[in-house]
Amino acid sequence: EPEVTQTPSHQVTQMGQEVILRCVPISNHLYFYWYRQILGQKVEFLVSFYNNEISEKSEIFDDQFSVERPDGSNFTLKIRSTKLEDSAMYFCASSEASNVLTFGAGSRLTVL
Amino acid sequence: GENVEQHPSTLSVQEGDSAVIKCTYSDSASNYFPWYKQELGKRPQLIIDIRSNVGEKKDQRIAVTLNKTAKHFSLHITETQPEDSAVYFCAADEYNFNKFYFGSGTKLNVKP
Repeated sequence: EPEVTQTPSHQVTQMGQEVILRCVPISNHLYFYWYRQILGQKVEFLVSFYNNEISEKSEIFDDQFSVERPDGSNFTLKIRSTKLEDSAMYFCASSEASNVLTFGAGSRLTVL
Repeated sequence: GENVEQHPSTLSVQEGDSAVIKCTYSDSASNYFPWYKQELGKRPQLIIDIRSNVGEKKDQRIAVTLNKTAKHFSLHITETQPEDSAVYFCAADEYNFNKFYFGSGTKLNVKP
């Protein structure tokens, strides 16, 4: 069964450092997403991406965040200057149509 | 924006009993309602979904009901088994809007 893959599985960084989380969506999917889940809390929408541009973003997705599809397979989330409150599990997801999300295993970000 | 409320936050049932988890939503434009199961430390996985043109959908031991007028939808699990123990999240989305809003989750514990 096709999977969404994410790297790294866990990253520890110092406050103020830049972080890039990487995702390889399912190959025939057209819609890509980033969500985050702070420990013990709900899954929160960050951004959706379609046709090489952001289609929707939440209020969480401020100027410190950016997404990119640098080639035909990768989808990245960059946090420019990490804050303590950015510590969370970040899930990438993709969908063939504009629903039925398939989530990756997540990247746990710990900001010290 | 959409606001999804989910109850209860925890639910403990005996193996073989039924479990019901309820969600309400605020945006009448929402018309797609998936349910995700998240086992400890793992990715959320879609277990069932319903669109607003139907009132009920069933898949073996799992069913979802939708009341558009009241803006609420529920997950029903019958004949629960220990492997049903997980956190369940409801979500709402305006179809083709690519912006899923999740409930706060229900931790289901099925006691053998």
